[in-house]
Amino acid sequence: DAGVTQSPTHLIKTRGQQVTLRCSPKSGHDTVSWYQQALGQGPQFIFQYYEEEERQRGNFPDRFSGHQFPNYSSELNVNALLLGDSALYLCASSLLRSANEQYFGPGTRLTVT
Amino acid sequence: GESVGLHLPTLSVQEGDNSIINCAYSNSASDYFIWYKQESGKGPQFIIDIRSNMDKRQGQRVTVLLNKTVKHLSLQIAATQPGDSAVYFCAENRRRGSNYKLTFGKGTLLTVNP
Repeated sequence: DAGVTQSPTHLIKTRGQQVTLRCSPKSGHDTVSWYQQALGQGPQFIFQYYEEEERQRGNFPDRFSGHQFPNYSSELNVNALLLGDSALYLCASSLLRSANEQYFGPGTRLTVT
Repeated sequence: GESVGLHLPTLSVQEGDNSIINCAYSNSASDYFIWYKQESGKGPQFIIDIRSNMDKRQGQRVTVLLNKTVKHLSLQIAATQPGDSAVYFCAENRRRGSNYKLTFGKGTLLTVNP
């Protein structure tokens, strides 16, 4: 049983560009959450998707958007990249009823130059 | 700002000793408190959670204590092993209907010396 997978592993982009990160949840999970983790910090909640809808959102600008597909996989899109967007982006999946026990992927390391 | 924080950024213990990692919170409306472990190069891994109306919960080699009077949370690891070396995060879960949001603290780096 595969856990949460994310792609790509690493990514380098230039300021102003756009990026799409992908996540496949653990088998059987219906909820996907995205987090941004800066170096030396805890993960910061970006948003959560359930039934293909954004259900909850953290304090992130509209440049951050997402999507959940019928197979529960998800994408995170970031437009007009800033240097400050450089971070590890983590995807976590869970069952909506078991929200505390989220299964995290290994993350995508995004570097904006 | 964040409502979940940690007292100490680093903790170094000897193998076999017990470890105690502390966390303070400010939001009394949290429904659950959770501990996660993050090893280098990996995503966080769930350890244990505790409902806000409980004082103590035990797992395998781990115990979480919740003191609502002083808004303090701790994770105790018994007989600490080298494999326990990681960054430990406390997090709070606030539910609004069927929606929830996890808020993580900054983390404590636990180093286990052989």
